[in-house]
Amino acid sequence: DVKVTQSSRYLVKRTGEKVFLECVQDMDHENMFWYRQDPGLGLRLIYFSYDVKMKEKGDIPEGYSVSREKKERFSLILESASTNQTSMYLCASSLGPSGGRHRDTQYFGPGTRLTVL
Amino acid sequence: AQKVTQAQTEISVVEKEDVTLDCVYETRDTTYYLFWYKQPPSGELVFLIRRNSFDEQNEISGRYSWNFQKSTSSFNFTITASQVVDSAVYFCALSENRGSTLGRLYFGRGTQLTVWP
Repeated sequence: DVKVTQSSRYLVKRTGEKVFLECVQDMDHENMFWYRQDPGLGLRLIYFSYDVKMKEKGDIPEGYSVSREKKERFSLILESASTNQTSMYLCASSLGPSGGRHRDTQYFGPGTRLTVL
Repeated sequence: AQKVTQAQTEISVVEKEDVTLDCVYETRDTTYYLFWYKQPPSGELVFLIRRNSFDEQNEISGRYSWNFQKSTSSFNFTITASQVVDSAVYFCALSENRGSTLGRLYFGRGTQLTVWP
């Protein structure tokens, strides 16, 4: 069964703190993604990775960085959290090139609702 | 560039009514995939269906059906005899075709469906 887990469902941090959001998938997927979701704006892609130690900027990378040291784990880092980063953060993964016609189907984790005070 | 438009922000229906969620997309790729995801109040996006650009056959799965029309660049989703459990945000998405890599999805802003008892 497809499984993507995120380290926390709810998180409260203070402005200026360094925040780590962790995502783990157990499906041997090559691609991993971080989105944020805000009311009226849908899902916006922050960063994605198609291989270990590889990353690409999405549409809104400012204020974020990522780390992928192992295939199954993709971390999103807020270097200095700000109130405008209060949001729902969603992680997803997909098979990638080895998946044939299924390669692009993304499977999502439960999300982390982050509040920055 | 890829773009997905879900013009309906919110829809309300009464149980047992049929409801259609619209999705219009733009792409210059000749090969692409279209997706629908469901996000119930719990927050996790659930994959519903994937369609490739060469397959214009309509698909039916229980009370759900999808109508893909390349001529109008639309991929609409119909729920027949809606139920309260269908209440959720529904997202339409389009894949990017960049050969065998990456496979990011472009999401619409979602349609909030509320089914009243």
